[in-house]
Amino acid sequence: SQQGEEDPQALSIQEGENATMNCSYKTSINNLQWYRQNSGRGLVHLILIRSNEREKHSGRLRVTLDTSKKSSSLLITASRAADTASYFCATESNDYKLSFGAGTTVTVRA
Amino acid sequence: SAVISQKPSRDICQRGTSLTIQCQVDSQVTMMFWYRQQPGQSLTLIATANQGSEATYESGFVIDKFPISRPNLTFSTLTVSNMSPEDSSIYLCSAGNGIVNEQFFGPGTRLTVL
Repeated sequence: SQQGEEDPQALSIQEGENATMNCSYKTSINNLQWYRQNSGRGLVHLILIRSNEREKHSGRLRVTLDTSKKSSSLLITASRAADTASYFCATESNDYKLSFGAGTTVTVRA
Repeated sequence: SAVISQKPSRDICQRGTSLTIQCQVDSQVTMMFWYRQQPGQSLTLIATANQGSEATYESGFVIDKFPISRPNLTFSTLTVSNMSPEDSSIYLCSAGNGIVNEQFFGPGTRLTVL
């Protein structure tokens, strides 16, 4: 079953701008992960943040996690046309299974 | 990291038939999973493919409809049985080593049932 809810559902930004999307979940987690999917293809793992971490960076990506609010955010800085994709958060509890959010579709305009 | 391939990449099938999807990983992995992504939707876990034993299915999915095999640590198959148009989806397999929790995904199989 899906645990995460993401907002916004869709986001359209100009190249060079930042994109922020949020994910909320319901139960306790071991970690939260963000994935990217281009045009209905396979998912690419972007970043994993553990439940005892509050912020993590990877290149132009910044992820925050607030376990008290059961929420996470993904920030993409200085967006590029190649960042156009759907972004999913996924939570992992105690058995390595992932529960995915509904996803945010990001369109970066040139 | 692991590289995962799936076959076929897409197929168009007739109602009532079955399709077997293959998932091959380029290295031995502890965990393999099968997901379904219906059009415009997120991913839903179908089952965990267990090596040498029966798969573990999530609520709403049953073995008769989605039989799964995992004969070794690098290969798994998912069969979509007695298909109906409602089975039209992308089916994705993923793999993880159970140490680092990230999962690596195959490119997906896009299934259309007429």
